[in-house]
Amino acid sequence: ETGVTQTPRHLVMGMTNKKSLKCEQHLGHNAMYWYKQSAKKPLELMFVYSLEERVENNSVPSRFSPECPNSSHLFLHLHTLQPEDSALYLCASSQVRFGELFFGEGSRLTVL
Amino acid sequence: EDQVTQSPEALRLQEGESSSLNCSYTVSGLRGLFWYRQDPGKGPEFLFTLYSAGEEKEKERLKATLTKKESFLHITAPKPEDSATYLCAVWANFGNEKLTFGTGTRLTIIP
Repeated sequence: ETGVTQTPRHLVMGMTNKKSLKCEQHLGHNAMYWYKQSAKKPLELMFVYSLEERVENNSVPSRFSPECPNSSHLFLHLHTLQPEDSALYLCASSQVRFGELFFGEGSRLTVL
Repeated sequence: EDQVTQSPEALRLQEGESSSLNCSYTVSGLRGLFWYRQDPGKGPEFLFTLYSAGEEKEKERLKATLTKKESFLHITAPKPEDSATYLCAVWANFGNEKLTFGTGTRLTIIP
């Protein structure tokens, strides 16, 4: 495996479900990110972890809960989501915080 | 507040027809400007980093340039495989870094 891998690629969930998105980076980077991408809007930063410590939480609703157990893995735990949370969720990593980002393929989330 | 504006929103070109995409920005303390390419249903792919006005970077048919207010992505003799959305992002504010993305330019190259 190389680069940044995300699973699952597609996820459909009801508003009462609990699910998790997983991200793994194989680049030896120090920072990892979750971004939300919606149509016609710029990428929205959700969370930043630097050396496993959360350094930014961009006013994200508590129904999104990140977890970074080590410098290579990042999770986004989802519960009681709303239909407006349907989007492409992108994980990224970088050597330097907010330097050149390397993105995964994304997880397409649909909330019914 | 940092702002990044990309234009045009969409661009259709004939194969071989050269053009430029624009990314204008208003930030304090520019640290770098990035260009990414994004194919439908995939994550953005890093293309270039520009650090200071006057800098230029090239890769195949793409050339990125930077001034104090904007960056251009020049596409020379494009091919259909260059069709994608091109995103720019500005890294700014020493000591309180932020990365601000534009909304992208959707480029379509017609064979």
